[in-house]
Amino acid sequence: DIPMTQSPSSLSASVGDRVTITCRASQTILTYLNWYQQKPGKAPTLLIYSASSLQSGVPSRFSGSGSGTDFTLTISSLQPEDFGTYYCQQGYSSPITFGQGTRLDIK
Amino acid sequence: EVQLVESGGGLVQPGGSLRLSCAASGFTFGVHNMNWVRQAPGKGLEWVAYINSGSTTIYYADSVRGRFTVSRDNAKNSLYLEMNSLRAEDTAVYYCARDPLGGDWFDSWGQGIQVTVSS
Repeated sequence: DIPMTQSPSSLSASVGDRVTITCRASQTILTYLNWYQQKPGKAPTLLIYSASSLQSGVPSRFSGSGSGTDFTLTISSLQPEDFGTYYCQQGYSSPITFGQGTRLDIK
Repeated sequence: EVQLVESGGGLVQPGGSLRLSCAASGFTFGVHNMNWVRQAPGKGLEWVAYINSGSTTIYYADSVRGRFTVSRDNAKNSLYLEMNSLRAEDTAVYYCARDPLGGDWFDSWGQGIQVTVSS
């Protein structure tokens, strides 16, 4: 298994802030890294795939970067609707594994 | 519009069985690999099972291997999860999730179905 570690576990930020969430894999996963947003009581939605590709329909303020073991999700200018929990997921090898999640609150 | 709709959840006693279904519409179900992902109360996401488009390749998480069986019926545009020997720790919301063609991520998810294992 490839454990995925996200940081921070939670954060609070203001509208307009630049927000960064990191995800680290225990071994190289090349760019097989994906990001999801989940709002309370709802299914996750895909934001970023293959480390840096923006899913269709996702606002351009979301971006992803990284390769190997270290990855970043950035929200360039936080909006009120961006609250929720963010998860990274590796697709490099089975079993697929997720990070523990980062809860983002809006101040 | 892609739609995935889970059904079959509910309350079951420890040691019991349950069969989840996921009805797919709005896309060519038979060419997509599919997955089950679950989320225990207040916890993160856990991948459970994978089945490829032709049902020739199947994977399970260690936590469910030997107790859960994933299957699909492409003629009925449906995905299934047969869950046996259920334990309290299987209590979760279960989602079916689609792999895009050639991708290792989940690009569409169902709304989720609650499974509660309790006496």
